[in-house]
Amino acid sequence: DTGVSQDPRHKITKRGQNVTFRCDPISEHNRLYWYRQTLGQGPEFLTYFQNEAQLEKSRLLSDRFSAERPKGSFSTLEIQRTEQGDSAMYLCASGRQDYGYTFGSGTRLTVV
Amino acid sequence: EDQVTQSPEALRLQEGESSSLNCSYTVSGLRGLFWYRQDPGKGPEFLFTLYSAGEEKEKERLKATLTKKESFLHITAPKPEDSATYLCAVNQAGTALIFGKGTTLSVSS
Repeated sequence: DTGVSQDPRHKITKRGQNVTFRCDPISEHNRLYWYRQTLGQGPEFLTYFQNEAQLEKSRLLSDRFSAERPKGSFSTLEIQRTEQGDSAMYLCASGRQDYGYTFGSGTRLTVV
Repeated sequence: EDQVTQSPEALRLQEGESSSLNCSYTVSGLRGLFWYRQDPGKGPEFLFTLYSAGEEKEKERLKATLTKKESFLHITAPKPEDSATYLCAVNQAGTALIFGKGTTLSVSS
């Protein structure tokens, strides 16, 4: 399977807890993106990496959010002190510059 | 300020009833317009990329076209399996894709 893999598929957490999601991109893609999608909305950009460098972060990405991509391979997105407003689908995508991105199936986060 | 606007928000068709979805954009320095299909609970699935006005691309019952200010996704003789949310996105000057809210298409037999 050469698609984008995300883990876990679903996560239910209590408000105030920390959560971490993982994304394994397509191996030959140097760019990796994180998006957030809520019901009835299109995906909203959070951050992206080119290889291991984090090149851009959206203002949506508060200081409770942090993303890493060690060695330019897989990436993790951590949310600290989760809030109910963080409930959403978190999507990872990989691609090459100026080409269409391949999305993973997403991690659905529910904060209770 | 909306940069990508899709219409209609929802569209209900009978099987075989052709129609079009619209995506209008206001970004400058367009470096690609993308169409994706998204099924409930899944990530978006890439359909097309268009780069310049006048360009057209086809895939099965779908055809995407691009002008300087909008793109259309034409669906010819749709089938129930074409039911999904169709997302439009633009790539502005090499930054991340900016998505519209999508059009939810329902095709009944």
